Amino acid sequence: NAGVTQTPKFRILKIGQSMTLQCAQDMNHNYMYWYRQDPGMGLKLIYYSVGAGITDKGEVPNGYNVSRSTTEDFPLRLELAAPSQTSVYFCASCGTTGHNSPLHFGNGTRLTVT
Amino acid sequence: GNSVTQMEGPVTLSEEAFLTINCTYTATGYPSLFWYVQYPGEGLQLLLKATKADDKGSNKGFEATYRKETTSFHLEKGSVQVSDSAVYFCALTPGSSNTGKLIFGQGTTLQVKP
Repeated sequence: NAGVTQTPKFRILKIGQSMTLQCAQDMNHNYMYWYRQDPGMGLKLIYYSVGAGITDKGEVPNGYNVSRSTTEDFPLRLELAAPSQTSVYFCASCGTTGHNSPLHFGNGTRLTVT
Repeated sequence: GNSVTQMEGPVTLSEEAFLTINCTYTATGYPSLFWYVQYPGEGLQLLLKATKADDKGSNKGFEATYRKETTSFHLEKGSVQVSDSAVYFCALTPGSSNTGKLIFGQGTTLQVKP
């Protein structure tokens, strides 16, 4: 039972490069989320999706883009990497209406931009 | 707005000691409250939850009670083990939310020494 799978686990980018962080879930969940985790700051929501074809901004969307062409996949795109985007990125999914349902998290992608 | 504040860490305890991690929140309406745990190198996992005032969430010896009068959801465990060493996050979903978005505290690191 894979749950939420994120790739890659680690990545080093140079300033100005682009990359896509992959996220896939096999639980047929409608709701998916991207968070970033910075030391001492908790997790901040970047983007989320309530179903295929629907995405919306979270608290810290600048510098990122997402798409949701299928229920399973929710990739996060960085177009012009900046040092401020050095962080650990977590993808999560949720199955029902979401109000009191737990989120299922992937194991994270650690990104360093130099 | 909605926010979560946790006690600062790290918290260092000896095995079998009593644990309290304080969490207070600000929210409109009637939020659901959660504790998530993050073990080293892993994503977050739901530890326990409470969805209405006076509810007690419990799991793996951990407990937390939803106190609306003090807007608190403190995490407790009577006797910690080395295996409890992790980062603990308090979180909420606003009462008006139907998208499952979580608002996290900054996290508290617990280190348990043998």
